[in-house]
Amino acid sequence: NAGVTQTPKFRILKIGQSMTLQCAQDMNHNYMYWYRQDPGMGLKLIYYSVGAGITDKGEVPNGYNVSRSTTEDFPLRLELAAPSQTSVYFCASRTGGMNTEAFFGQGTRLTVV
Amino acid sequence: ILNVEQSPQSLHVQEGDSTNFTCSFPSSNFYALHWYRWETAKSPEALFVMTLNGDEKKKGRISATLNTKEGYSYLYIKGSQPEDSATYLCALYSGAGSYQLTFGKGTKLSVIP
Repeated sequence: NAGVTQTPKFRILKIGQSMTLQCAQDMNHNYMYWYRQDPGMGLKLIYYSVGAGITDKGEVPNGYNVSRSTTEDFPLRLELAAPSQTSVYFCASRTGGMNTEAFFGQGTRLTVV
Repeated sequence: ILNVEQSPQSLHVQEGDSTNFTCSFPSSNFYALHWYRWETAKSPEALFVMTLNGDEKKKGRISATLNTKEGYSYLYIKGSQPEDSATYLCALYSGAGSYQLTFGKGTKLSVIP
């Protein structure tokens, strides 16, 4: 059981470039989340989804887009990368129940130069 | 934006000491409270998910309590060991209408041998 898989693990982007961070889970979880981790700031929610075709903004959505065409996949798109998007990105998933924990991917470390 | 506060921000204890940290959250938005353990260079892993006022959960030397009326949870570690060194995160699940899982900034625990 792979759990939550993020690709790539590392990436360096130039300012203005675009890329997609991939997230896939094989646990049939309805809820999926994208977070960014900045030093001393914990995890900030970018976007989340409660099922295929349903997405919503979190606390810091500007500069990002998401889609959820299948239960398994929840890609995060960066358009026109900026240095402020240098961060470690984590994808997480959980079932929809009230008392269910989240499972995290291994993270993607992104540097924008 | 939900305000989930954790204190202290960091903590150094001697091996064998017992310690505790606090997570505060708006009680009006409560659905469930999560605790995660996050080791350096790894992904967060769930410790507890608590839903009921007065809940107490225990896993080995680590335990947690929950007060939903006043909006706080405590995490206790008894007889700290060097392997307990990690960042401990709490997260509020605000449930129906929101579905967000909002994290605090974490408490970084260092256990000195």
